[in-house]
Amino acid sequence: GIQVEQSPPDLILQEGANSTLRCNFSDSVNNLQWFHQNPWGQLINLFYIPSGTKQNGRLSATTVATERYSLLYISSSQTTDSGVYFCAVGAYGGSQGNLIFGKGTKLSVKP
Amino acid sequence: DGGITQSPKYLFRKEGQNVTLSCEQNLNHDAMYWYRQDPGQGLRLIYYSQIVNDFQKGDIAEGYSVSREKKESFPLTVTSAQKNPTAFYLCASRRDSAYEQYFGPGTRLTVT
Repeated sequence: GIQVEQSPPDLILQEGANSTLRCNFSDSVNNLQWFHQNPWGQLINLFYIPSGTKQNGRLSATTVATERYSLLYISSSQTTDSGVYFCAVGAYGGSQGNLIFGKGTKLSVKP
Repeated sequence: DGGITQSPKYLFRKEGQNVTLSCEQNLNHDAMYWYRQDPGQGLRLIYYSQIVNDFQKGDIAEGYSVSREKKESFPLTVTSAQKNPTAFYLCASRRDSAYEQYFGPGTRLTVT
């Protein structure tokens, strides 16, 4: 089945710094979502982005489907950005809508 | 408010007991999913349902069972056959016409 790899596994930043999180996937996808898991475990939808670029405030994401990777950019990080960021994909030919998750990037933003 | 609710937030059980986790949505979504998360790991799919009275096994269905009698509800039963049931369980749903999934707040199950 499709493989999803996220890097780096851990990231420590000072407040105000910028960061880039990467998600590589091994096959064509019809769905790619980025999530933020907060300290209480809630998964918050950040982007639905199987291709192209989107921006939402300090966050933006780019997926290059032909090269099988996606990037999540966080600018001017804040302590509330801390948590785990997951990339999840849905594969062409897979059961519709099923998501395969990476292992996540754990982000810690220090004041 | 529209959303996905899971109850309870925390659940403690003795080994050998079956336990049922609740998932309800009022988003009028067609498809519903159950995932399991272990510490430091991503989510893995247990079961999913795209329509009432029909459901399919995911990657780790052994030791679990589900039902889908109503569109709004998709309860998960963790049976005594599940060898390592202690985990964080998340329910999700999706409109039939879209791929994007939305998640509930989760249930932390501890079995001792």
